[in-house]
Amino acid sequence: GENVEQHPSTLSVQEGDSAVIKCTYSDSASNYFPWYKQELGKGPQLIIDIRSNVGEKKDQRIAVTLNKTAKHFSLHITETQPEDSAVYFCAASINSGYSTLTFGKGTMLLVSP
Amino acid sequence: DADVTQTPRNRITKTGKRIMLECSQTKGHDRMYWYRQDPGLGLRLIYYSFDVKDINKGEISDGYSVSRQAQAKFSLSLESAIPNQTALYFCATSEFTDTQYFGPGTRLTVL
Repeated sequence: GENVEQHPSTLSVQEGDSAVIKCTYSDSASNYFPWYKQELGKGPQLIIDIRSNVGEKKDQRIAVTLNKTAKHFSLHITETQPEDSAVYFCAASINSGYSTLTFGKGTMLLVSP
Repeated sequence: DADVTQTPRNRITKTGKRIMLECSQTKGHDRMYWYRQDPGLGLRLIYYSFDVKDINKGEISDGYSVSRQAQAKFSLSLESAIPNQTALYFCATSEFTDTQYFGPGTRLTVL
């Protein structure tokens, strides 16, 4: 089955800096890659996703890049703010109708003022 | 009102007790999931259901069972709880293999 590795496990940045979280996946058939943000005491919430027919997707201060050849994808957060502090999860799946998401182990991002 | 609700939000129980965690959704999705979250281990899939008549084991189903009572309801049971089942449990729903919407979680402690 699919295996998703996520790095780093913790990341501390100063407000205004950029943050990058990286994930690799094992199944070359995977074609859907969402990112979830989990704030303290809440369930994960989708923040951005990318499908294998594109290499990059942006939404305001967040972007995701995908390299299918190398089987890795990354989350980029620019101009970080304290409210970006949370745990971020990457995931992968084969968007074929009967597959499920495989999650990475998560990255705790701390943005210091 | 929340689209995905979980009850209870917190539960402390003793080894050997039977526990049921409940999940309800108002999103009208056919697909529902139960995950377990442990520090450093991320989200691991316990069971999932693609419709009312469909139940599938996930990565870590041993010691757990589920019931899909209706499209909107999906319950997770621990027949005989043990301390290493202490964790945060999340229910999620989705339409097709798309965005999953998570509930607020149930924190379970087994003494």
